[in-house]
Amino acid sequence: DGGITQSPKYLFRKEGQNVTLSCEQNLNHDAMYWYRQDPGQGLRLIYYSQIVNDFQKGDIAEGYSVSREKKESFPLTVTSAQKNPTAFYLCASSIFGDTYEQYFGPGTRLTVT
Amino acid sequence: DQQVKQNSPSLSVQEGRISILNCDYTNSMFDYFLWYKKYPAEGPTFLISISSIKDKNEDGRFTVFLNKSAKHLSLHIVPSQPGDSAVYFCAAALPQGAQKLVFGQGTRLTINP
Repeated sequence: DGGITQSPKYLFRKEGQNVTLSCEQNLNHDAMYWYRQDPGQGLRLIYYSQIVNDFQKGDIAEGYSVSREKKESFPLTVTSAQKNPTAFYLCASSIFGDTYEQYFGPGTRLTVT
Repeated sequence: DQQVKQNSPSLSVQEGRISILNCDYTNSMFDYFLWYKKYPAEGPTFLISISSIKDKNEDGRFTVFLNKSAKHLSLHIVPSQPGDSAVYFCAAALPQGAQKLVFGQGTRLTINP
């Protein structure tokens, strides 16, 4: 049963702490993405990776970091430098081809107080 | 700089009628467009897409229309069903590159019985 898993579903942290969100896919997709969704806004791209050991900043990368050591995994770290970290975080993956379709995980709701 | 805009935050339609969701874009270089459906606290799921070489694509109850001269696309759902109640995002992609998607802000569709 192929898909994308994100854990945990809900995450609570104190301000000033770094937190890492997990994203795993077993679709054998080359590319992976991290998005952030805030109320009333669309999905904004944080980071993306086309191949292992390579990743690029998206539109709102400040305060975030990623790694891509394995094809299946693309963890996102929300650092204490991120000014407004409370949001719904979505991970996606895709194959390179003609469709541009991205497959999304169920998301992680991060609340920082 | 919002390159993809969904100007209607919400839309209410009676069950059985047609739902029309609209999306405008500013970048004429976009060459592929997608619609996603999202339920609360879940990841978006792909609905339908269209290449810029076409002006219409149909899949069951869903039809996407593209008007390149107006930089406008729309999603028609007919007949509308209660399960269609969700937030709908349009997204656009540039040719080649990293297959990044630019998302609109979303439109919340409510189907009333």
